[in-house]
Amino acid sequence: KNEVEQSPQNLTAQEGEFITINCSYSVGISALHWLQQHPGGGIVSLFMLSSGKKKHGRLIATINIQEKHSSLHITASHPRDSAVYICAFTGGFKTIFGAGTRLFVKA
Amino acid sequence: DAGVIQSPRHEVTEMGQEVTLRCKPISGHNSLFWYRQTMMRGLELLIYFNNNVPIDDSGMPEDRFSAKMPNASFSTLKIQPSEPRDSAVYFCASSFSLRVRGEQYFGPGTRLTVT
Repeated sequence: KNEVEQSPQNLTAQEGEFITINCSYSVGISALHWLQQHPGGGIVSLFMLSSGKKKHGRLIATINIQEKHSSLHITASHPRDSAVYICAFTGGFKTIFGAGTRLFVKA
Repeated sequence: DAGVIQSPRHEVTEMGQEVTLRCKPISGHNSLFWYRQTMMRGLELLIYFNNNVPIDDSGMPEDRFSAKMPNASFSTLKIQPSEPRDSAVYFCASSFSLRVRGEQYFGPGTRLTVT
């Protein structure tokens, strides 16, 4: 079993839809990161969280430490949200990445 | 701030040649990370420096790979000799962290092709 599992692998949504991407992990962590990788390849760090919930604009990230699960939500999705979303956790000195969720938002 | 700067952005080299990738972290950041991204393996952490000291290099694939951070504003990742399977995008990221790793800021990456 991979230490971090993301779902879904691919997601197509209509503009305006509410989107949820999930990330489950199997080991203790000190922090969980959500990254966005644009079609051009650049990577942007969206959130780093170790508990609770964070919000930035239309993006919301939550984490449940007991259930070892995090979600990334996008409200009122837009075609410019089309990207690969990657969760990663840091535990000790390790950083482990999920395989990513490829999101395509249609206009 | 210009963000994390990486050079070159693209590198094409022949098998057996030495390759050096460079990274300038964001000023004031005390942690620096080198990552590799391939289609097969996704993103992988190669090595992590804190205050210019390598903390964890367990992700470095083999002895052909070496990384240095001679000062707070510069790091290199060297591959010698290079092999076609080293072809990947190499990202550098930096963060400011005290005891817990802070949010990481990624450079634009260096796309390496080894023929």
